[in-house]
Amino acid sequence: EVQLVQSGPEVKKPGESLKISCQGSGFSFTNYWIGWVSQMPGKGLEWMGIIYAGDSTTKYNPSFQGQVTISVDRSVSTAYLQWSSLRASDTAMFYCAIARHGNYYWDYWGQGTLVTVSS
Amino acid sequence: QSALTQPASVSGSPGQSITIACTGTSSDVGGYNHVSWFQQHPGQAPILMIYDVSNRPSGISNRFSGSKSGNTASLTISGLQAEDEADYYCSSYTPITPTYVFGTGTKVTVL
Repeated sequence: EVQLVQSGPEVKKPGESLKISCQGSGFSFTNYWIGWVSQMPGKGLEWMGIIYAGDSTTKYNPSFQGQVTISVDRSVSTAYLQWSSLRASDTAMFYCAIARHGNYYWDYWGQGTLVTVSS
Repeated sequence: QSALTQPASVSGSPGQSITIACTGTSSDVGGYNHVSWFQQHPGQAPILMIYDVSNRPSGISNRFSGSKSGNTASLTISGLQAEDEADYYCSSYTPITPTYVFGTGTKVTVL
């Protein structure tokens, strides 16, 4: 059974750093792209960026380029999304999703990680 | 790369059919047959309902169907049911960064 399990909710202060995770199981991790999607409270979905687990090729949405870093650790089948300095406007739900290399659809999603940034 | 355009809301009575449009450009929806549709209930993760314009993943009801004409893709829900009340998002591949783009989202209300 394919599963994507994301790390738990976070409450942070502006300026703090954060790294959230998305661990995959039940599939060949290195044959997949992992995408991160942001959803601000009451708003729509937005692609932040995607990473190919096979070779760590990463593509960022220009809106998030330089604001976040996407990475993978193939040894533990886990993808990460990290911030070096959070802002209140980073408060959102973040989802990871996967697409098999060669496919163009995201068929499995994590349960989401809620990040709240408040002073 | 701008978000794809969807109507903010669509409603219908139980048993009726509704269609949600998703308008993009020749650089995304119109240029590739890689349009997906997602259903999202409040507080839940999105679920893939349609991929590559008109294909249904295993386990998705055949009441959901997809199509495309030019730069506009469409999701049709037939035999509308109360459980279909949710937000729906289209998404398309594009060779332009950021590679994938979502639609603005449509709230479906079952009257």
